[in-house]
Amino acid sequence: DAGVIQSPRHEVTEMGQEVTLRCKPISGHDYLFWYRQTMMRGLELLIYFNNNVPIDDSGMPEDRFSAKMPNASFSTLKIQPSEPRDSAVYFCASSFAGQMNTEAFFGQGTRLTVV
Amino acid sequence: DAKTTQPPSMDCAEGRAANLPCNHSTISGNEYVYWYRQIHSQGPQYIIHGLKNNETNEMASLIITEDRKSSTLILPHATLRDTAVYYCIVRVYGQNFVFGPGTRLSVLP
Repeated sequence: DAGVIQSPRHEVTEMGQEVTLRCKPISGHDYLFWYRQTMMRGLELLIYFNNNVPIDDSGMPEDRFSAKMPNASFSTLKIQPSEPRDSAVYFCASSFAGQMNTEAFFGQGTRLTVV
Repeated sequence: DAKTTQPPSMDCAEGRAANLPCNHSTISGNEYVYWYRQIHSQGPQYIIHGLKNNETNEMASLIITEDRKSSTLILPHATLRDTAVYYCIVRVYGQNFVFGPGTRLSVLP
């Protein structure tokens, strides 16, 4: 498996524009996590899904952020409208809830810059 | 909030063992201890995890105290490529991974 795949790797957009980040989890994994990382706040969980259903979205900053998981192999994180303070690296991770308490595997992230 | 406490930074000489401590004094019986690391601008990388027994894999060893209130990650022969931020996380099955600020390990030549 190629691991967790995120796209794009880099995104530069103007304030007010809509931004969509994409994630393909590892095949067979049933948990998917979206994190945001900034220098000031470190790694923060935004939302996570189990079997395509959102379990905890308390980390989503505000209504401008939305996340979907239409099927087991794809998830999106959308910001509309984007603001400069949304500039960060966004990571997606997936894991499998098997018999053991298994680890999460992270993608390489999307570096978002809003100007 | 993270349930762990780690020193903000540590240095280690190349080729020596790096011992990274973590305090998790409020850990509950069903929480596992996980270690991840993040090399500059890359996604966090899983290292090892355990419940109460010591664990070893090809990357590292995890030593958990008998009362489970602290643990130590051991990199037996640190290399320059081990320079990274190391995160200690406690997690219950099925819940998310909460990252604290971690320990910035610098391996020095």
